[in-house]
Amino acid sequence: EPEVTQTPSHQVTQMGQEVILRCVPISNHLYFYWYRQILGQKVEFLVSFYNNEISEKSEIFDDQFSVERPDGSNFTLKIRSTKLEDSAMYFCATNSGGAGETQYFGPGTRLLVL
Amino acid sequence: AQSVTQLGSHVSVSEGALVLLRCNYSSSVPPYLFWYVQYPNQGLQLLLKYTSAATLVKGINGFEAEFKKSETSFHLTKPSAHMSDAAEYFCAVSEEGGGNKLTFGTGTQLKVEL
Repeated sequence: EPEVTQTPSHQVTQMGQEVILRCVPISNHLYFYWYRQILGQKVEFLVSFYNNEISEKSEIFDDQFSVERPDGSNFTLKIRSTKLEDSAMYFCATNSGGAGETQYFGPGTRLLVL
Repeated sequence: AQSVTQLGSHVSVSEGALVLLRCNYSSSVPPYLFWYVQYPNQGLQLLLKYTSAATLVKGINGFEAEFKKSETSFHLTKPSAHMSDAAEYFCAVSEEGGGNKLTFGTGTQLKVEL
């Protein structure tokens, strides 16, 4: 069964450093999403991406964050200058479109900012 | 704006007992509703979803949920709990015109005891 993959599984970085989280979507999916889950809290929507542009973003997704699909396969989330409060599990999700379509989640990247 | 409330952050049942996890939603338009399960150190896996077809939805691993518009609820049930059901369960809502984003509840940790 096709699945969403994410790399790295864990990343430790120093505050102020840039990090790039990578996701490989299911091949025929056109809609891509990033969510995050701070330890012990609920899963929160960050951004949705379709047709090479952002469809919607949350208040969390400020100027420090960016997304792109650089090579037609990977979907990346970049945090330009990490803060302690960016420490969380970041999930990529993809689907074929539509609010009722199942979003398939990757296993996540655990980011720790020191 | 869409939102989800999950009553009971922790639920404990005996093996073989009924599982009932509660979810209430708020949505300005007919919602799409989802239950996801998260096992330790893993991503989110879809259990079942409601997309305006049958109000009683059957999912994987013997779980089912009933959409009750009058009560704005989508509670998850399983007649007989198994040890392998121990996990965290998230209810989520999306709606047309909402950018396809999922809005999650705070989650319910299910513990199954012998």
